Amino acid sequence: NAGVTQTPKFQVLKTGQSMTLQCAQDMNHEYMSWYRQDPGMGLRLIHYSVGAGITDQGEVPNGYNVSRSTTEDFPLRLLSAAPSQTSVYFCASSYSPRAGPQHFGDGTRLSIL
Amino acid sequence: AQSVSQHNHHVILSEAASLELGCNYSYGGTVNLFWYVQYPGQHLQLLLKYFSGDPLVKGIKGFEAEFIKSKFSFNLRKPSVQWSDTAEYFCAVNAMNYGGSQGNLIFGKGTKLSVKP
Repeated sequence: NAGVTQTPKFQVLKTGQSMTLQCAQDMNHEYMSWYRQDPGMGLRLIHYSVGAGITDQGEVPNGYNVSRSTTEDFPLRLLSAAPSQTSVYFCASSYSPRAGPQHFGDGTRLSIL
Repeated sequence: AQSVSQHNHHVILSEAASLELGCNYSYGGTVNLFWYVQYPGQHLQLLLKYFSGDPLVKGIKGFEAEFIKSKFSFNLRKPSVQWSDTAEYFCAVNAMNYGGSQGNLIFGKGTKLSVKP
């Protein structure tokens, strides 16, 4: 089925470790984005991309890197995990940034010890 | 900086009651407005959106929202809620031409809706 696929669904890391959260969509959407969701904070935009080779920072980009080498994939990298990065991460896609996120992945629940 | 305020943190209703969830934003220019719903344990789903035109927008599952520009508001309504509407609802705003970041969607903190059967 068409949609946004995120892996892994759950991950536990130790402080200082690095990892990559994977996100792939098969709808040929140009716009992809990463959000983190924390209790009482809603969703906050980390990074987004308006097409292959183009990325930009959102509201809370520190400690995260992204790249967009293909239209389909938009991985999020944690460079050196910190307990403050414990959160649920959602990837989303849309045909246009003006349209807002239309399809969300199921999320990755990340715990940093 | 632009911001989005959702007035109610938690709303509890009985089935068949009417629903109105408030959303206000702070930005004086052109905006695109959205409501998303997150059912327990699931990802967000788009309920409805407003770009331009008729300020009364109809979405899925019987929800609607009204954009009142003078009040900077985009309240979500449903005439009669069901137990299955129990979820968290998020308002979001995309301030067009704000710092050139068209993709920068700002979310409110969410309103939890609990519907009693």
